[in-house]
Amino acid sequence: AQTVTQSQPEMSVQEAETVTLSCTYDTSESDYYLFWYKQPPSRQMILVIRQEAYKQQNATENRFSVNFQKAAKSFSLKISDSQLGDAAMYFCAYRSARGNKLVFGAGTILRVKS
Amino acid sequence: NAGVTQTPKFQVLKTGQSMTLQCAQDMNHEYMSWYRQDPGMGLRLIHYSVGAGITDQGEVPNGYNVSRSTTEDFPLRLLSAAPSQTSVYFCASSSLGGAGLDTEAFFGQGTRLTVV
Repeated sequence: AQTVTQSQPEMSVQEAETVTLSCTYDTSESDYYLFWYKQPPSRQMILVIRQEAYKQQNATENRFSVNFQKAAKSFSLKISDSQLGDAAMYFCAYRSARGNKLVFGAGTILRVKS
Repeated sequence: NAGVTQTPKFQVLKTGQSMTLQCAQDMNHEYMSWYRQDPGMGLRLIHYSVGAGITDQGEVPNGYNVSRSTTEDFPLRLLSAAPSQTSVYFCASSSLGGAGLDTEAFFGQGTRLTVV
């Protein structure tokens, strides 16, 4: 079974600075998808960024980018120019290419200081 | 475009009571699922469905029932609520076997359930 590990329960960053959230996963599959979801205090789950395992190029979405290391099974999220609105719980998630089940990590609470 | 509509947003139950959490989506997604979110454990899969009339168990199915009579609706039933079922519940839908942009799962707004 696949597992996702987020080893940082909480992180803090100063406004306008850069922060990196860590995620590692375990799978025996070669084709899969990885996601970062943001959950603000409203509880809504918002997709931040996705990575397809067969693509070597790291995904980017504006201020959000990932460092995808397939051999190391690592998938970190970098947030540049942090804003107060980035404060939220962030979940890393795995999905096999052969199915729709999402496997989530425990989450990282990100606090942004002004 | 409503997306995934989940009701209620909050609920308090007494131990032993039953209730149904409603979930409806208007995106014609074949795949629907229920998760529970607990502190330090992320979201865990309770039940899922790959189409009308087809349901299966996830990681933590005990104490919950589901049914899928239509593509749009996927209710979650708590048969006899227990304090261990105090949690935040999410319904989600996605395209079955989707690739690329179709891999996105859409979530409802969640239900905070307290069992006393």
